[in-house]
Amino acid sequence: AQSVTQPDIHITVSEGASLELRCNYSYGATPYLFWYVQSPGQGLQLLLKYFSGDTLVQGIKGFEAEFKRSQSSFNLRKPSVHWSDAAEYFCAVVLGTSYGKLTFGQGTILTVHP
Amino acid sequence: EAGVVQSPRYKIIEKKQPVAFWCNPISGHNTLYWYLQNLGQGPELLIRYENEEAVDDSQLPKDRFSAERLKGVDSTLKIQPAELGDSAVYLCASSLVGDTEAFFGQGTRLTVV
Repeated sequence: AQSVTQPDIHITVSEGASLELRCNYSYGATPYLFWYVQSPGQGLQLLLKYFSGDTLVQGIKGFEAEFKRSQSSFNLRKPSVHWSDAAEYFCAVVLGTSYGKLTFGQGTILTVHP
Repeated sequence: EAGVVQSPRYKIIEKKQPVAFWCNPISGHNTLYWYLQNLGQGPELLIRYENEEAVDDSQLPKDRFSAERLKGVDSTLKIQPAELGDSAVYLCASSLVGDTEAFFGQGTRLTVV
């Protein structure tokens, strides 16, 4: 079945440490790929997106993500985490045949220790 | 520029009662979405509008859920009657036609008791 998987439900890192959040998808074709962040009680904010071209994409707040076709992955990274990055992160895809319909992973909760 | 505005932010109702949520999209955004987010899950699309037309409502439980977008701007999502399992966050989002970047509102947290 077509799906988006975020293997880590909860990740804890220390402030200043590096971060990598994993995302895998299972679709026949390469979908459009997104990462969103959701702070408590807030809506979703787009961090970055990949449609085509350079497989390393830069986003807001110092985040980047790398698309790896061979691994069907789109992992989110940040070299140095700040306490304000504590939130829930969602990977999402849009299929070319399902224009406008975002399919989300289950999310990864990020806790940042001082 | 104002973002997507949803109201109310929170709603507590008894089961079997009706409830309605309102969404005002970003000005100029012709595409409007309603998503359902259950606790600990990612959002799931309920319905997508292009202007006044519902172009994808395949995931909307039509026995109790209804939505409308009169005049192609504001939208209302209704549940009648509400069930305990409807407790969730209801998110509204909007985008420009042809643009895959959707902007989300803060959501309405519904609790059915």
